[in-house]
Amino acid sequence: EPEVTQTPSHQVTQMGQEVILRCVPISNHLYFYWYRQILGQKVEFLVSFYNNEISEKSEIFDDQFSVERPDGSNFTLKIRSTKLEDSAMYFCAGGGGLQETQYFGPGTRLLVL
Amino acid sequence: AQSVAQPEDQVNVAEGNPLTVKCTYSVSGNPYLFWYVQYPNRGLQFLLKYITGDNLVKGSYGFEAEFNKSQTSFHLKKPSALVSDSALYFCAVRPPSGGYQKVTFGTGTKLQVIP
Repeated sequence: EPEVTQTPSHQVTQMGQEVILRCVPISNHLYFYWYRQILGQKVEFLVSFYNNEISEKSEIFDDQFSVERPDGSNFTLKIRSTKLEDSAMYFCAGGGGLQETQYFGPGTRLLVL
Repeated sequence: AQSVAQPEDQVNVAEGNPLTVKCTYSVSGNPYLFWYVQYPNRGLQFLLKYITGDNLVKGSYGFEAEFNKSQTSFHLKKPSALVSDSALYFCAVRPPSGGYQKVTFGTGTKLQVIP
């Protein structure tokens, strides 16, 4: 059964550094998402992406964040200048259409020091 | 705005007993409802969903959930709990239109199945 994969599984970075989190969605999915989960808190929506553009974004997804799907397979989340409060588990998800379930990857745990 | 409430932070149940994890929701229109499970240091695994049709939906690992429109609830159930069911369970809701629509999660309920 195909799965969403994410790399790296863990990343430690210094405050102010750029990080890129990578995801390989399931091949027939059309909609892609990033969510995050701060330790001990609930899963929060960041952004949705369809047809090579952002469909919806939350207030969390400010100018420091960007997403792209550069080669038709990878889906990346870039944080340009990380802050301490960006420390969280970041989940990529994909879905096939209007009624489809969103299937989540295993997550990348980001720690900003 | 859509929202999900999971009133119990933790549910303890003895192995072999039935379990219920509660969820209520608020969304405009007919909701798409989901349950996900998260094992320690793992991602979110889809368990089941309600889109339309029969109010009782069956999912993975013997779990089922009952949609109750009048009570705006979508409680997760299992007739006989296993120790391996111990995990964090999230209820989630999505509006019915638009594939780009975000899923809103509840705060999660930790299920502890006691041997």
